[in-house]
Amino acid sequence: GAGVSQSPSNKVTEKGKDVELRCDPISGHTALYWYRQSLGQGLEFLIYFQGNSAPDKSGLPSDRFSAERTGGSVSTLTIQRTQQEDSAVYLCASSLAGATEAFFGQGTRLTVV
Amino acid sequence: AQSVTQLDSQVPVFEEAPVELRCNYSSSVSVYLFWYVQYPNQGLQLLLKYLSGSTLVKGINGFEAEFNKSQTSFHLRKPSVHISDTAEYFCAVPNYGGSQGNLIFGKGTKLSVKP
Repeated sequence: GAGVSQSPSNKVTEKGKDVELRCDPISGHTALYWYRQSLGQGLEFLIYFQGNSAPDKSGLPSDRFSAERTGGSVSTLTIQRTQQEDSAVYLCASSLAGATEAFFGQGTRLTVV
Repeated sequence: AQSVTQLDSQVPVFEEAPVELRCNYSSSVSVYLFWYVQYPNQGLQLLLKYLSGSTLVKGINGFEAEFNKSQTSFHLRKPSVHISDTAEYFCAVPNYGGSQGNLIFGKGTKLSVKP
């Protein structure tokens, strides 16, 4: 597609439920990143995928968070047993390998009630 | 460890006035520096970047930034702002302790341009 696509754009879930957030990167981009943007914490790195290499998961805040990237393209960020502090905007970005510019999607706004 | 400090959380300014958004960084290695802009309900868009070479970097929408190594700063400037520049601006550096994609962002500066 023309840009990074994220779905859903908004998600309201009950505390304790699992959620899946989807990211469709720009075609041909081998690098994919997830960030979280919240009022108290600003923008936080979560996870990074590059080609077939093992992902950098150093930013995942707890073992309730996981992400996968199937076929080197679409990525899914899963949050299990959601908590209210998980409420945030989750941003996905992609780039060409070795590039210094990442292109961001519009984000998924997650609200845990 | 790297860090980024944006000194102003909010900057109100009148249309056609000049603006400077401040960013200071801390890094023990040579740096790349970035400014991103986020319009309301949008993702982040790269405004400009410093990798090497000339310390004055020009970006999109008439913005520019100057890398000052002695002051560890990378302030963003525009000589005359428009209403459409109302957005949140983020300064960022790569996390050299992490993977290539791991950027450290400042807390952001909300620029509000008033008519």
